[in-house]
Amino acid sequence: DAGITQSPRHKVTETGTPVTLRCHQTENHRYMYWYRQDPGHGLRLIHYSYGVKDTDKGEVSDGYSVSRSKTEDFLLTLESATSSQTSVYFCAAGQGADEQYFGPGTRLTVT
Amino acid sequence: GENVEQHPSTLSVQEGDSAVIKCTYSDSASNYFPWYKQELGKRPQLIIDIRSNVGEKKDQRIAVTLNKTAKHFSLHITETQPEDSAVYFCAATFNQAGTALIFGKGTTLSVSS
Repeated sequence: DAGITQSPRHKVTETGTPVTLRCHQTENHRYMYWYRQDPGHGLRLIHYSYGVKDTDKGEVSDGYSVSRSKTEDFLLTLESATSSQTSVYFCAAGQGADEQYFGPGTRLTVT
Repeated sequence: GENVEQHPSTLSVQEGDSAVIKCTYSDSASNYFPWYKQELGKRPQLIIDIRSNVGEKKDQRIAVTLNKTAKHFSLHITETQPEDSAVYFCAATFNQAGTALIFGKGTTLSVSS
C-alpha cells in the first residue's frame, strides 16, 4: 500500500461546516495529490503539491484549499462544505506523475 | 482545457477473449500515459504505463500502444480472466512540468466465465 494513509476514512458533515482531510505518507515522496471520484466523472485532480509549502491547482479546485507543512502530510480543507462536495476523496503520492500510489480513500457525505 | 476521452464506458467479454480500451488526449505536450485498475471498493493501482518515446509496451497479458500523431493510446488485455473485472482508467500528463495527471472517466470491464 506504499505507506499512504488517509484520515478520516468516513465522515458525515453538515452543509456550511469546515472539513479537513489528512493524507500521510511514509516514503518521502516529493509530490502529493488530492483527487475526488464521482460516478461518471472518474478521478479529478483538486490540488497537488510539489514540495513543502509548494502547491498548485488542479481541474476542480474551487471550494478547496490545501496545505503541506511537512513532506509527509498533505491536508485538504473544505472551508464551507456543500452537498456538491459529497464524494470519495483519494490522496496520492509519488516522485511525479510516474507511479502515483493512492491512499485508501475517504468517503465524505455532506448533508 | 486539457481533456482525456475514454471509450467504451462499459465492456463485457467472455473469459479468454481480448479486451481493448481506447483513449484520446488533447494536449500534444503530454508525455506520460499510465493505466490504472480499480477493483470495487479499492484504491486505483497502476498496471502499466508508456512514455511518449515508445510505441508499445507489454507486460504478460497486458499491453499498451501509443500513437502520438493521432494522440491515441490503448490498453489491450488478452486471455481475459474473471479477476480482470474492474474499472480501468487511462491518464495523461497535462501540466508543463509533466508532474500531474488528467484521467479519463473510466471503463467498467466485466469478464464472465
